[in-house]
Amino acid sequence: QKEVEQNSGPLSVPEGAIASLNCTYSDRGSQSFFWYRQYSGKSPELIMSIYSNGDKEDGRFTAQLNKASQYVSLLIRDSQPSDSATYLCAVNGGGSNYKLTFGKGTLLTVNP
Amino acid sequence: ETGVTQSPTHLIKTRGQQVTLRCSSQSGHNTVSWYQQALGQGPQFIFQYYREEENGRGNFPPRFSGLQFPNYSSELNVNALELDDSALYLCASSLGLSAGGENGYTFGSGTRLTVV
Repeated sequence: QKEVEQNSGPLSVPEGAIASLNCTYSDRGSQSFFWYRQYSGKSPELIMSIYSNGDKEDGRFTAQLNKASQYVSLLIRDSQPSDSATYLCAVNGGGSNYKLTFGKGTLLTVNP
Repeated sequence: ETGVTQSPTHLIKTRGQQVTLRCSSQSGHNTVSWYQQALGQGPQFIFQYYREEENGRGNFPPRFSGLQFPNYSSELNVNALELDDSALYLCASSLGLSAGGENGYTFGSGTRLTVV
């Protein structure tokens, strides 16, 4: 059973702080990794993708990938109340590259 | 360029009934994937259709079935509805046999199904 595990949360941070979201995956053959943001009652929207070990930065967001440790994380700098949402980690690749395997998500609340 | 559209947005059905959900893929995309997201859970892969053929299926019973049409739009059919089928059903389109490739999926806005 291919699994994706996320820190259970909920995670609460003050406005302006760094929010750190973590994800581990079980399939060593996984090749692509994604972070989706989902507001309550809405569908997931892609915010970051990463394929190579190391860091990838996009504005206030930084994704980090360590394939040896089977670990991927998302850092949100200067957190804003509008960042309050559930963050879903998704993994693709290995023997079933036609689908994404999602974690359960971590609820982030940014307090003004 | 139009995005992925799903219909209806909300639906209430009675246990034992049948339901059909619809998805129009993004322009230029030939693959449609369906996911089920129960409350408090991440989306779970149901199946994928590529050029009108099923190309992979998740751990869902046969009463979950689908179709893809020549224009690449798709339907998800669920027979003999159960209470646990209550969920947000998400459709995503992509080009080729992958989970959206480097750019991941763009999901439609979803259909919220409630089974009572």
